[in-house]
Amino acid sequence: EDKVVQSPLSLVVHEGDTVTLNCSYEVTNFRSLLWYKQEKKAPTFLFMLTSSGIEKKSGRLSSILDKKELFSILNITATQTGDSAVYLCAVEGNEKLTFGTGTRLTIIP
Amino acid sequence: DAGVIQSPRHEVTEMGQEVTLRCKPISGHNSLFWYRQTMMRGLELLIYFNNNVPIDDSGMPEDRFSAKMPNASFSTLKIQPSEPRDSAVYFCASSLARQGVTGELFFGEGSRLTVL
Repeated sequence: EDKVVQSPLSLVVHEGDTVTLNCSYEVTNFRSLLWYKQEKKAPTFLFMLTSSGIEKKSGRLSSILDKKELFSILNITATQTGDSAVYLCAVEGNEKLTFGTGTRLTIIP
Repeated sequence: DAGVIQSPRHEVTEMGQEVTLRCKPISGHNSLFWYRQTMMRGLELLIYFNNNVPIDDSGMPEDRFSAKMPNASFSTLKIQPSEPRDSAVYFCASSLARQGVTGELFFGEGSRLTVL
């Protein structure tokens, strides 16, 4: 069975801090890894990663994939209160997308 | 495009009643997914369709759950009879799958189901 594990489960930091969220996986026939941000409603897409070692960047957020060690990290620099959310990692293998349980990030002003 | 549209947004029903959730995917997308989200179990894939054909329904909890996609622009998830443990937020999502990769999922706003 495909497995996606995220850590930490929750994280509380002060505004301006940098955070690193982790996602490790075990899937059959890896195809892609995706990061989503979920605030009060539906998850919204952040990144899709398919190749090892290539960093994807969007503003203060960046992510990288290591297909040898089977993990990905999501970095957020200079955090803001608007970054408070649950961050979800999902991995696609064998035509099925499996989500982790998420990391709940809280930014204190 | 209006995005993925789900209805109803909220449903409160009594145990034993039939519940039907509806989804309109983004036009042109060829894959549609039904997920259930709870605090305890997170986001769980129930079933997914590719070109209107069910590909993987291994996540459907039991025979009380059924899903259909009669055409490219409409899908339903039905629970009959409903039970209190079915209470959750049900998300529909669609994507444009290419070369075996699902790609970015676009989620609807979800249907919050409460079964009393």
